[in-house]
Amino acid sequence: GAVVSQHPSWVICKSGTSVKIECRSLDFQATTMFWYRQFPKQSLMLMATSNEGSKATYEQGVEKDKFLINHASLTLSTLTVTSAHPEDSSFYICSAPRFGTTEAFFGQGTRLTVV
Amino acid sequence: DAKTTQPTSMDCAEGRAANLPCNHSTISGNEYVYWYRQIHSQGPQYIIHGLKNNETNEMASLIITEDRKSSTLILPHATLRDTAVYYCIGFRGSSNTGKLIFGQGTTLQVKP
Repeated sequence: GAVVSQHPSWVICKSGTSVKIECRSLDFQATTMFWYRQFPKQSLMLMATSNEGSKATYEQGVEKDKFLINHASLTLSTLTVTSAHPEDSSFYICSAPRFGTTEAFFGQGTRLTVV
Repeated sequence: DAKTTQPTSMDCAEGRAANLPCNHSTISGNEYVYWYRQIHSQGPQYIIHGLKNNETNEMASLIITEDRKSSTLILPHATLRDTAVYYCIGFRGSSNTGKLIFGQGTTLQVKP
């Protein structure tokens, strides 16, 4: 079964509004989670590293004020797309490594459409 | 982490073995070779990883050349459900990290 769960699976929002996406590790604690974005027919692009109890680390070119990341507990990270615009429409995916293993577990992804 | 090169696309007949190559000539001695796949509109799924030795699990086999500059993922009996994008990733990762950098991957089309 899924060990990392994202919610919602899809969301449609109006331009200018904010959208929050949740990423939960279901049966393990994750001090670190990762957020990726994927445009159609393209590969996954790492956006940021979410660190429990501290500030997220953003990749070059990713606006930290637009993509707010909060990792308030060891099982939950949230990504908030603020003042969304149509160009933010994308597939957002989170991942979490499980301590004691050498693989990362991915959520099922969230399809965001901004209209 | 090492840069990897994969063919853009491959076809495979259902029931036959699918052999997906990956070049990672700049891989360092402590970097693992990881394989993930992504079925359309889903999150990536872990397949297998290895360092030096060949590896096998219930999903696939991983053959790594002796010089570690390339590897091949083998799906022994491909099914239509194996149609996906396959990513080969060089990664130093420890047990509590998972910052994977994805390349373009290989789109595998399994045909009836």
